[in-house]
Amino acid sequence: NAGVTQTPKFRVLKTGQSMTLLCAQDMNHEYMYWYRQDPGMGLRLIHYSVGEGTTAKGEVPDGYNVSRLKKQNFLLGLESAAPSQTSVYFCASSYEHLSSTNTEAFFGQGTRLTVV
Amino acid sequence: SQQGEEDPQALSIQEGENATMNCSYKTSINNLQWYRQNSGRGLVHLILIRSNEREKHSGRLRVTLDTSKKSSSLLITASRAADTASYFCATDPTAGGTSYGKLTFGQGTILTVHP
Repeated sequence: NAGVTQTPKFRVLKTGQSMTLLCAQDMNHEYMYWYRQDPGMGLRLIHYSVGEGTTAKGEVPDGYNVSRLKKQNFLLGLESAAPSQTSVYFCASSYEHLSSTNTEAFFGQGTRLTVV
Repeated sequence: SQQGEEDPQALSIQEGENATMNCSYKTSINNLQWYRQNSGRGLVHLILIRSNEREKHSGRLRVTLDTSKKSSSLLITASRAADTASYFCATDPTAGGTSYGKLTFGQGTILTVHP
């Protein structure tokens, strides 16, 4: 089982460049999430999706865009990268709504992004 | 602002000892989850406790939840060197009984277990 796969694993960008992070899950999960993890800040939710064709803003959405054209994929885009977006990005998915009492989130291995 | 706050930020113990980590949160929740993260890896789900439960066990893990104090604790008994990791609590904040559908994480506790 592949679970949740993120590509790429590492990337260095110059300020102002754009890129797309891809998240793919093979568990037929409805819900998908993008988080960023910074030292001392825990994980912060950027955007999430409750199903194919839907997206919603999380805690820190500015500077990012997302798309969920296919159920299994959730793309995170940076249109004009800034040094403040240097972080480790994690994608997660879940079968049910995370407020359900019997669900858990499955995480990818992360993408380490550095913006110089 | 972070919904969950873990305490302590770091914990260092000897193999065989018990490790206790605490989590406090701010708003009403439907459930609380604990996750583990090994260095450089993604998070892995450990255990979920519902808002109407007070205690739950899973192997060497024991989780308690006190909704009146908005706090939870994770106890790892008979710790092993392999338990060395960061541990995060996560909650789904609700307002007026309605969940936002988001899982909000605390800053984590770094646990080091010395052989």
